Amino acid sequence: EAAVTQSPRSKVAVTGGKVTLSCHQTNNHDYMYWYRQDTGHGLRLIHYSYVADSTEKGDIPDGYKASRPSQENFSLILELASLSQTAVYFCASSDRANTGQLYFGEGSKLTVL
Amino acid sequence: GQQVQQSPASLVLQEGENAELQCNFSTSLNSMQWFYQRPGGSLVSLFYNPSGTKHSGRLTSTTVIKERRSSLHISSSQTTDSGTYLCALEPGYNKLTFGKGTVLLVSP
Repeated sequence: EAAVTQSPRSKVAVTGGKVTLSCHQTNNHDYMYWYRQDTGHGLRLIHYSYVADSTEKGDIPDGYKASRPSQENFSLILELASLSQTAVYFCASSDRANTGQLYFGEGSKLTVL
Repeated sequence: GQQVQQSPASLVLQEGENAELQCNFSTSLNSMQWFYQRPGGSLVSLFYNPSGTKHSGRLTSTTVIKERRSSLHISSSQTTDSGTYLCALEPGYNKLTFGKGTVLLVSP
């Protein structure tokens, strides 16, 4: 069974603070993604990566950075957290060479105060 | 405009009834996927279905590209089917665009 784990599962941050969300996959997948979910907006793509040491912008990258130090790990970094970044964040991986199916982590609930 | 539209936004069923969830898209598509989001928030992949019909237990997914639609049929619904169903379109390579989902409630 494919496995994507996220940490932390829940975090409260202060406005202007730095937040790092981490994602680890044991699927041996090339592609990894970060999505945010907000009520009324569904899931929106922030950043993605298809190879270690390289990241790509998604649909809503402003205010976020991403890091892919290895095939297994993909981080999302909020350098200056803002109230509008309160959301649930999901990491996912996919094996695009084969099925293209997405496997999601359990989500990280971020509250910025 | 929004590329992916799901309907209905919400649906209430009695256990045992069937459900038909729709996903309409306004762009060309590379792939279509369906996901189930549990009430607790985690997401589970149901189907990767770029075209045609696929079956999995009580679930059936049908994608008709030329009509720009995909559907998810749930037969003999159960209370454990309650949750949110999301479709996701891949208009180009690598990037999925999600619909806002259909919230399903199955009552006993």
